[in-house]
Amino acid sequence: EVQLLESGGGLIQPGGSLRLSCAASGFTFNNYAMSWVRQAPGKGLEWVSAISGSGGGTYYADSVKGRFTISRDNSKNTLYLQMNSLRAEDTAVYYCARKGPYGDYWYFDLWGRGTLVTVSS
Amino acid sequence: EILMTQSPATLSVSPGERVTLSCRASQSVSSNLAWYQQKPGQAPRLLLYGASTRATGIPAGFSGSGSGTEFTLTISSLQSEDFAVYYCQQYNIWPLTFGGGTKVEIK
Repeated sequence: EVQLLESGGGLIQPGGSLRLSCAASGFTFNNYAMSWVRQAPGKGLEWVSAISGSGGGTYYADSVKGRFTISRDNSKNTLYLQMNSLRAEDTAVYYCARKGPYGDYWYFDLWGRGTLVTVSS
Repeated sequence: EILMTQSPATLSVSPGERVTLSCRASQSVSSNLAWYQQKPGQAPRLLLYGASTRATGIPAGFSGSGSGTEFTLTISSLQSEDFAVYYCQQYNIWPLTFGGGTKVEIK
């Protein structure tokens, strides 16, 4: 079955760090660019970060640049998001999403179920 | 950053009705626009990309149109399973941006 499964969320104090993981299965992981998208409670979707299939290209939203790092291990079919210096406004469900297969078109054709990150003292 | 504005924020509709949702971009995104459906407690699901191309498994009752800055998503006859929040997303220019969503609720 083609799926993405996030893990690593939880309650963390402001200023703390957390690493999210996304395990991919059912498709050739290294053929696909990937991304993280978050959703604050009761709010809309916000793109966070993206990475090319090889891992050589990375992109970040200004709101997380310098604090978050996206990476991938294609041997383990896993995507990561290292989150440092966490703030209350980072509280959200974090979704792992797969970029569509064609060209440089960054829409997302497969999503995980998400993992909740709560930043609070 | 391209601002995506969706209207209306909430739409109250009866089953069987035709629904049209709007998405406007603050500058041209060509046809690099996607639509997603999200039900409570679930992940978003891709409906359309390229403004008008249905994703795999999406029924023909969903259609999209537009280019540049004005886009619409039309549901021809609303079914019970279509009550959800709908988001548009532009992927023409980094950073990728989403609209604020339109909630389609039962009237």
